Amino acid sequence: ETGVTQTPRHLVMGMTNKKSLKCEQHLGHNAMYWYKQSAKKPLELMFVYSLEERVENNSVPSRFSPECPNSSHLFLHLHTLQPEDSALYLCASSQAGTRGETQYFGPGTRLLVL
Amino acid sequence: KQEVTQIPAALSVPEGENLVLNCSFTDSAIYNLQWFRQDPGKGLTSLLLIQSSQREQTSGRLNASLDKSSGRSTLYIAASQPGDSATYLCAASTSGTYKYIFGTGTRLKVLA
Repeated sequence: ETGVTQTPRHLVMGMTNKKSLKCEQHLGHNAMYWYKQSAKKPLELMFVYSLEERVENNSVPSRFSPECPNSSHLFLHLHTLQPEDSALYLCASSQAGTRGETQYFGPGTRLLVL
Repeated sequence: KQEVTQIPAALSVPEGENLVLNCSFTDSAIYNLQWFRQDPGKGLTSLLLIQSSQREQTSGRLNASLDKSSGRSTLYIAASQPGDSATYLCAASTSGTYKYIFGTGTRLKVLA
């Protein structure tokens, strides 16, 4: 678990706030991911940064904006969120391009939008 | 479009039982099939990864099998312990993509 860290662990925000989630990986990986986990639903892939290429899920609203300044850091910028955006946001990393690629997850940020 | 289903959604067993968790997928052209464990409020921990050319993987008391032709994977847990209580998720990736499609998980409770 300490290979991928996420801050903050818990966040409560109003619909007009702007906040950012941070993820850092210490594993030397070249790919990082944001996932959303809502109650009773499968994990949903939101964004991928791999080998400096960004891949996104087209169903993710524009109020979520990712940023990947380098291969070790990943941010998720949040603005004008809705209550249905309340969920556990998980960051993961992997070594892309390797057969048997395993994703390593951080502990998540529990987000509550009021 | 790949869909992953896990049955049952929840399972409660007495300590010491051997048990099987099921995962089914609709697209047999998978690249990797991975099993994860998630403790309440925590992130996911990778347990076993099976490549498409493999039939099974083992780690300690855990054994995962993959049958692409039937679209199924099973996770076998031997001699279950209360510490095994968690949600178990399977995920399938398709060749040429970065995308893992996850099931909704099986919530396991092992009673002491």
